[in-house]
Amino acid sequence: QLQLQESGPGLVKPSETLSLTCSVSGGPTKTSSYYWGWIRQPPGKGLEWIGNVYYTGLTYYNPSLKSRVTTSIDTSKNQFSLELTSVTVADTAVYYCARVRDFSYHMDVWGKGTTVSVSS
Amino acid sequence: DTQMTQSPSSLSASVGDRVTITCRASQTISRSLNWYQQKPGKAPKLLIYSASSLQSGVPSRFSGGGSGTDFTLTINSLQPDDFATYYCQQTYNMPLTFGPGTKVDIK
Repeated sequence: QLQLQESGPGLVKPSETLSLTCSVSGGPTKTSSYYWGWIRQPPGKGLEWIGNVYYTGLTYYNPSLKSRVTTSIDTSKNQFSLELTSVTVADTAVYYCARVRDFSYHMDVWGKGTTVSVSS
Repeated sequence: DTQMTQSPSSLSASVGDRVTITCRASQTISRSLNWYQQKPGKAPKLLIYSASSLQSGVPSRFSGGGSGTDFTLTINSLQPDDFATYYCQQTYNMPLTFGPGTKVDIK
């Protein structure tokens, strides 16, 4: 059974870089059938798609974050990563990683989420 | 961006009720519409993809319909486990966008 687990610092200072990793178990990240995605949810608010990465390194980003976001994948470690630069308080959220079906882009397996707070 | 709206924003219902949630896209998205259920403190769970396909393991009381700009999620015979927030998501255009959510609570 495929499982995803986010990891990374729970507290980041304003203007610094948020870095998270999603470790995948129970299946390979090197698959042509899926992308690997990041989604976030600010406290008490809705869901915002951040971006997807394919096993080849192909990426798609939300334009609202594109200038600050980088996603990457390491298929040898079976994990993928998110970097968000120049964070502000507005980036405080629960960050989820998810498996994203190719073509239809529905997200069928999610990690439990990790809370990241931006504060000095 | 394709804007997604949902109605109602919240509703109160009883166990056994039939509940329908509506999702509308700001432009046509064919049938590229997914539904997720989220409970407090938990990750979203995929219920329906491509407007009407039931995700494996999801009870058959959940069903989806619609195409173009207007979509529905119906829960037949609401169960105690169904009280949650429901989100629609369009995957026709980038960026992928979610609706604001519909909270279903106990009457």
